[in-house]
Amino acid sequence: GAVVSQHPSRVICKSGTSVKIECRSLDFQATTMFWYRQFPKQSLMLMATSNEGSKATYEQGVEKDKFLINHASLTLSTLTVTSAHPEDSSFYICSAGLPGGQETQYFGPGTRLLVL
Amino acid sequence: RKEVEQDPGPFNVPEGATVAFNCTYSNSASQSFFWYRQDCRKEPKLLMSVYSSGNEDGRFTAQLNRASQYISLLIRDSKLSDSATYLCVVNSGGYQKVTFGIGTKLQVIP
Repeated sequence: GAVVSQHPSRVICKSGTSVKIECRSLDFQATTMFWYRQFPKQSLMLMATSNEGSKATYEQGVEKDKFLINHASLTLSTLTVTSAHPEDSSFYICSAGLPGGQETQYFGPGTRLLVL
Repeated sequence: RKEVEQDPGPFNVPEGATVAFNCTYSNSASQSFFWYRQDCRKEPKLLMSVYSSGNEDGRFTAQLNRASQYISLLIRDSKLSDSATYLCVVNSGGYQKVTFGIGTKLQVIP
């Protein structure tokens, strides 16, 4: 199947710092990628849809100024958590679908963020 | 009502048992349905898509009931390696956009 990578896999940072997470589609081009967040014992919650060459579409309740998304190329989307706080500690996962509108999602391995 | 509802479990079953999970969805316009598997502290991986006519992949069988808006997953001859959380995933209406259920945790016991 298609491969999606994510970096870093784990990050620990101090409160107030910004953290950038990269999501790459390794063997296909993705015009659309998705960013999810998963808190312990909860379901994956869609945060935003990342669109190559245009602004991201954020879900209700997700602050666009806090979670900056950049989709500069067809294989790379980045999520920056600005001024991170302990409540932002979570498992962040990106996904991408194959071109052509197929709805099967391929997920990156996720990034565990711990904000102290 | 949640868009996608699942019993979180856990379901504790002995090796070799047959176990079934159900999932209900609220959006009658949903067109695509999937079961994903998520191991502890890992990303979800596609287990199988769910088709209107039902489909089978080895020990796994998925069914869709549009009238009642639920999908099911049946696992036969459970293996220890089947222990995981099974996520019900439903198309939310947007391009490639899906909604996840909370997942049902399965623990297969020796």
